[in-house]
Amino acid sequence: DAGVTQSPTHLIKTRGQQVTLRCSPISGHKSVSWYQQVLGQGPQFIFQYYEKEERGRGNFPDRFSARQFPNYSSELNVNALLLGDSALYLCASTLGLSSYNEQFFGPGTRLTVL
Amino acid sequence: GQQVMQIPQYQHVQEGEDFTTYCNSSTTLSNIQWYKQRPGGHPVFLIQLVKSGEVKKQKRLTFQFGEAKKNSSLHITATQTTDVGTYFCAGVSGYSTLTFGKGTMLLVSP
Repeated sequence: DAGVTQSPTHLIKTRGQQVTLRCSPISGHKSVSWYQQVLGQGPQFIFQYYEKEERGRGNFPDRFSARQFPNYSSELNVNALLLGDSALYLCASTLGLSSYNEQFFGPGTRLTVL
Repeated sequence: GQQVMQIPQYQHVQEGEDFTTYCNSSTTLSNIQWYKQRPGGHPVFLIQLVKSGEVKKQKRLTFQFGEAKKNSSLHITATQTTDVGTYFCAGVSGYSTLTFGKGTMLLVSP
């Protein structure tokens, strides 16, 4: 079975632009979470979606938004990009909503903002 | 908010030496998970601890959850070059989501 997939792999944007990142969870997983990982740091929680509804939001500005589609895939949107948004964006899928579920991470999207 | 701290930030050992990383939370945790991230890779789940004082082993890796459920450790016996990577603990407290520590980067020299 395929694992979590993310696209694109790498992305270069300039300040002020907007970006959309995509994630497809493992088949049968209904929950998707997004994380931002800055170099040398641990993943920082951005959003969790379950059954197409937002179930958790981290301490990120409103420039960050996300949604989940009926097939459980998800998109993360970031508007008005800042240099500090440069990071690895990870998507993780879990079977359900419980925090006791193992998180399966995708390979990530490396975003560089110039 | 919940904070999870890990020490050391970095450790360089010779192959065959032991390695330990420690994780401390500012709040009592309901559960803690450990992940490994190889250089250039993504975090991969290793284990979850739920019970106070719990100890779990995976071959050369030993995981412990403190009695107060506020700290945890990962010990690797006789490290190998394949153990290279960054080890993260991630904890959940109350209704919060998973909070990751900053990780401990392990480098193993042959």
